[in-house]
Amino acid sequence: KAGVTQTPRYLIKTRGQQVTLSCSPISGHRSVSWYQQTPGQGLQFLFEYFSETQRNKGNFPGRFSGRQFSNSRSEMNVSTLELGDSALYLCASSHGTRGTEAFFGQGTRLTVV
Amino acid sequence: LAKTTQPISMDSYEGQEVNITCSHNNIATNDYITWYQQFPSQGPRFIIQGYKTKVTNEVASLFIPADRKSSTLSLPRVSLSDTAVYYCLVALYSSASKIIFGSGTRLSIRP
Repeated sequence: KAGVTQTPRYLIKTRGQQVTLSCSPISGHRSVSWYQQTPGQGLQFLFEYFSETQRNKGNFPGRFSGRQFSNSRSEMNVSTLELGDSALYLCASSHGTRGTEAFFGQGTRLTVV
Repeated sequence: LAKTTQPISMDSYEGQEVNITCSHNNIATNDYITWYQQFPSQGPRFIIQGYKTKVTNEVASLFIPADRKSSTLSLPRVSLSDTAVYYCLVALYSSASKIIFGSGTRLSIRP
């Protein structure tokens, strides 16, 4: 079956702009989570959506937001980009129930200049 | 949220068995233990998951003692392609919700 697809793979934006990243989960998966990975901070949890509702949220400012559609596809938006937002953004999908594993996408490499 | 502690790095040679131990002293009753592998600029890849005792699949084994306060990932006969960062996670839902990724263990395999 197809894996988790993230688009675009690479993105360059200017400070102050906004960006939208997309994640298509594995068919049948209802949970989509987003992570930010940087060399200094490692993998940090942003938020999780389950059946179109945000179920969990990490400690990121309100500039980071997301949503999930009825087909479980998810988007993540970052407004007013800062240089420190440069990172690999990873999406993970799963059934969202106890004991099930998460499958990660290849990520979107965002560079803010 | 259960915090995990792993060695920062490990070195081994091709053909050897590698054991990476993770400490999770405040694991909750319903938490599962999951290990992921990550190569540079790629998303983490699920390796194995367990709740107690021993779990084995085609790539690894996971040993969990009775108190569940630690776990050991065992990679048999490693190859150069096993060079990666390995993360131990403890969470109720392995859906990547309420999960804190530690710093992971950087495993380097030499010829």
